[in-house]
Amino acid sequence: QQQVKQSPQSLIVQKGGISIINCAYENTAFDYFPWYQQFPGKGPALLIAIRPDVSEKKEGRFTISFNKSAKQFSLHIMDSQPGDSATYFCAAAPSGNTPLVFGKGTRLSVIA
Amino acid sequence: DTAVSQTPKYLVTQMGNDKSIKCEQNLGHDTMYWYKQDSKKFLKIMFSYNNKELIINETVPNRFSPKSPDKAHLNLHINSLELGDSAVYFCASSHRGGAGELFFGEGSRLTVL
Repeated sequence: QQQVKQSPQSLIVQKGGISIINCAYENTAFDYFPWYQQFPGKGPALLIAIRPDVSEKKEGRFTISFNKSAKQFSLHIMDSQPGDSATYFCAAAPSGNTPLVFGKGTRLSVIA
Repeated sequence: DTAVSQTPKYLVTQMGNDKSIKCEQNLGHDTMYWYKQDSKKFLKIMFSYNNKELIINETVPNRFSPKSPDKAHLNLHINSLELGDSAVYFCASSHRGGAGELFFGEGSRLTVL
């Protein structure tokens, strides 16, 4: 119940294309869903986050789509650029002091 | 100014040795964490401290002992190192536990030979 299942494990996208990464969860107590971006040799950094009271959140080229009934959420990267090549983690947490649970990560490569 | 800083960045040591990793945050956060990232990039919570008190202790061998001298510092001491302890260890902090932004350090890569 504490798991967050992320797919795909790796993704190759052409420059200018759309990258889509999906996550699913079981725990209905989760109410915070962030995405983290990690470059090689660096720690993960918050990219964008959503709470279940909205179905979509957009920040620049990055959009989270959230489907509460299906218990799924996804990250869309529009106009993908080589600089977006990184590992992306979805995560989830309930309210309170319980730490984030992370998905297993998706290694994105954007090729020119 | 680095928000969450860890030292050392790299550690190479022999099996059976003891080592420590230090972490400091200058963000004024109340909650600090240690995460372990294995070779497959999987991030797993190890410990969570809130105001110097242990909140979460996941299934981690008791060879791992965190210590929080104050709320800005959370150190990790590892006894009797094993090959399987090789990983990148990340310290992180947040304003509050759970549903808040985590700020990660740059990681400490531990290699046990």
